[in-house]
Amino acid sequence: NAGVTQTPKFRILKIGQSMTLQCAQDMNHNYMYWYRQDPGMGLKLIYYSVGAGITDKGEVPNGYNVSRSTTEDFPLRLELAAPSQTSVYFCASSYLTQETQYFGPGTRLLVL
Amino acid sequence: DQQVKQNSPSLSVQEGRISILNCDYTNSMFDYFLWYKKYPAEGPTFLISISSIKDKNEDGRFTVFLNKSAKHLSLHIVPSQPGDSAVYFCAATGSGGATNKLIFGTGTLLAVQP
Repeated sequence: NAGVTQTPKFRILKIGQSMTLQCAQDMNHNYMYWYRQDPGMGLKLIYYSVGAGITDKGEVPNGYNVSRSTTEDFPLRLELAAPSQTSVYFCASSYLTQETQYFGPGTRLLVL
Repeated sequence: DQQVKQNSPSLSVQEGRISILNCDYTNSMFDYFLWYKKYPAEGPTFLISISSIKDKNEDGRFTVFLNKSAKHLSLHIVPSQPGDSAVYFCAATGSGGATNKLIFGTGTLLAVQP
């Protein structure tokens, strides 16, 4: 199993550009999550999904959108990138609630 | 409002000694707590967890203690090894929600000196 994979590993965006961060898991997990980690801070939940076709906002959803058309994939869309979105983004998945979340390696995003 | 707090940004320990990482929480609805370990340029990896029905959980060199009355948990690593050098995140969740949303602390950077 590859676990949770994320692409790209690093990206530089100009203000106002858009991009999609890809996340895939091959563990047949129901739950998937997107977090961002800013320097010196913990991980903040952006969006989560409890299954294909179902998504909901987390703590810091503004400026982002998600979709979950399959169990495996959970892409995060940034529209109109802003410097405040410079961060490291982590995708995670878990099989059930109260189960351990497995994290991907992260995508480092720099918005200039 | 920081619901999960790790007040020590960093900790330095000699190899072979005990490392104690602390975490405080404010939300009494939290009933499941986890510790994650993170190396640079990698995603966090699960280390150990504890349910609120227990006050201690042990896994090899790692032990987590939970003091519900004080809303405090700690991670003990004995003996500490240089490979334990990483950032440790405390996280909490409540079974009242069916989504397993984790609330993370800000992390403690542990440096184990050879």
